Amino acid sequence: AQTVTQSQPEMSVQEAETVTLSCTYDTSESDYYLFWYKQPPSRQMILVIRQEAYKQQNATENRFSVNFQKAAKSFSLKISDSQLGDAAMYFCAYRSGETSGSRLTFGEGTQLTVNP
Amino acid sequence: DAGVIQSPRHEVTEMGQEVTLRCKPISGHNSLFWYRQTMMRGLELLIYFNNNVPIDDSGMPEDRFSAKMPNASFSTLKIQPSEPRDSAVYFCATGRGAINPNEQFFGPGTRLTVL
Repeated sequence: AQTVTQSQPEMSVQEAETVTLSCTYDTSESDYYLFWYKQPPSRQMILVIRQEAYKQQNATENRFSVNFQKAAKSFSLKISDSQLGDAAMYFCAYRSGETSGSRLTFGEGTQLTVNP
Repeated sequence: DAGVIQSPRHEVTEMGQEVTLRCKPISGHNSLFWYRQTMMRGLELLIYFNNNVPIDDSGMPEDRFSAKMPNASFSTLKIQPSEPRDSAVYFCATGRGAINPNEQFFGPGTRLTVL
């Protein structure tokens, strides 16, 4: 079974600074997808960024980028120019691309605080 | 597009009562997932459907939980009888296809409190 681990329960960053959230995963599959979801106080789950395992190029979405290290099974999220609205719980998630199952397996989450 | 619609948004009930949570997927999405979020266990999948057929219900905690998807535009998650440990936020998420790189779109969740 796949597992996802986020070793940082809490992180904080100053507004306009850069922060990196860590995520590692364990899988024996070669085809899979990785995601970062943001959950603000409203509880809504919002997709931030996704990465296909077969792509070597790191995904980027505006101020959000990932550092995908497939051999190390690491998938960190970098937030540049942090804004107050980035404050939320961030979840790393794994999804198999090899089986008919398409469930998301989530990490424990990292609570990000943005200080003005 | 209205997104995934869940109702009710909040539910407070007493132990032993039946609870029914509802989900309307995004039109055209043929995969539907029920997740539960608690402080102790985080986000966990309960069950998911493809083309209205339950594919994997191994995450359903026990027989008190049941889920149905009678058609492509509606799903229910029922707890009978409810217990205080069922208190959680229940999310419905939908997507396209059984094997699909596209993300799952989450509804706003139903916050359930069982007293």
